[in-house]
Amino acid sequence: KNEVEQSPQNLTAQEGEFITINCSYSVGISALHWLQQHPGGGIVSLFMLSSGKKKHGRLIATINIQEKHSSLHITASHPRDSAVYICAGGSQGNLIFGKGTKLSVKP
Amino acid sequence: DTAVSQTPKYLVTQMGNDKSIKCEQNLGHDTMYWYKQDSKKFLKIMFSYNNKELIINETVPNRFSPKSPDKAHLNLHINSLELGDSAVYFCASSPWIAGEFDEQFFGPGTRLTVL
Repeated sequence: KNEVEQSPQNLTAQEGEFITINCSYSVGISALHWLQQHPGGGIVSLFMLSSGKKKHGRLIATINIQEKHSSLHITASHPRDSAVYICAGGSQGNLIFGKGTKLSVKP
Repeated sequence: DTAVSQTPKYLVTQMGNDKSIKCEQNLGHDTMYWYKQDSKKFLKIMFSYNNKELIINETVPNRFSPKSPDKAHLNLHINSLELGDSAVYFCASSPWIAGEFDEQFFGPGTRLTVL
């Protein structure tokens, strides 16, 4: 069992839908990262959070330290949001990655 | 301007060869990393350097040797390449803020194919 688990593994949505991707971790971390990997392969950091909630545009990330759980929400999803979303738990810069959630948003 | 750059983007080589992948960041960050993404797209940390000093060295074969000539560069040298080394290798960097590692910035990746 991976120390960082994501669900779902694959997700297909219609444009405009509200999307939630979940991440649970079993290790002690100082921060939780959400990354986006584009179909072309590039990786972009979306959020790094250690408590509470962060918002950037249509993206919202939350974390519950006690429950060792984080969620990534996308509001008003768009086909350009199609990508693999990866969560990673970090401590002292050492990231342990989930296996990713492949999101496909249909027009 | 590219923040984290890697060369080459693609590397195709024969088993047994020695090769290097270079990484440079112009963000002024203190920490640099090497990650391996396997064929199942699973990312795993290999090494991390903070101010040219090795701080993370995960269980990787000693055929892999990182070298940091200065804070802006972290190169990865691989000896005696094996088929299983075929993967995409990502370099990343992050600042060191208030005693904590911060958000990471990734390079475009180097796709290594060992024949």
